[in-house]
Amino acid sequence: GAVVSQHPSRVICKSGTSVKIECRSLDFQATTMFWYRQFPKQSLMLMATSNEGSKATYEQGVEKDKFLINHASLTLSTLTVTSAHPEDSSFYICSARSQDRGGKNIQYFGAGTRLSVL
Amino acid sequence: GQQVMQIPQYQHVQEGEDFTTYCNSSTTLSNIQWYKQRPGGHPVFLIQLVKSGEVKKQKRLTFQFGEAKKNSSLHITATQTTDVGTYFCAGPVTGTASKLTFGTGTRLQVTL
Repeated sequence: GAVVSQHPSRVICKSGTSVKIECRSLDFQATTMFWYRQFPKQSLMLMATSNEGSKATYEQGVEKDKFLINHASLTLSTLTVTSAHPEDSSFYICSARSQDRGGKNIQYFGAGTRLSVL
Repeated sequence: GQQVMQIPQYQHVQEGEDFTTYCNSSTTLSNIQWYKQRPGGHPVFLIQLVKSGEVKKQKRLTFQFGEAKKNSSLHITATQTTDVGTYFCAGPVTGTASKLTFGTGTRLQVTL
């Protein structure tokens, strides 16, 4: 199956710093990637859709200036949490959309990044 | 807005017992997908159902898509400790082709 690499897996940072998370599709090209946020024992909440070569589309309530997304190539999307604060601490997961042999659109997920802001 | 609910929220079974999670959408879905997330891990795609009333099996797992395409179920026969994790259903966000709305999830615990 398709492989999505997400880095780093864990980040601990001081309040006010910015953190960049990378999401790479390793063996396929992904024109569309997604960024989710997951709180403990809760479901995945879609934050934004990352489109290669164009601006990201943010879900309602997600600050685009806070969570900067760049999709510069067909295999790489980055999420930068700017001026992070403790309330930004969470598990961030990316996914990349791929079509399987049957034409189904499937999302393959990265391993996630656990962000802790002190 | 579109909501996808799952019940139960949590279930604890002994190894060998069966398990079922139910998924209900507030809107009709063009398809339903199921994912499994192990503790500390990330969601892994299990299957996609497209047709009304469709039933698919993967070894001990049986997936069903309702006739009205608003509900689905996942049944595990004779659970094993390797089945531990949270099971999410997900459906396309209304009006989009690729965005998914994830269900609330069912966390399964299996003990010996």
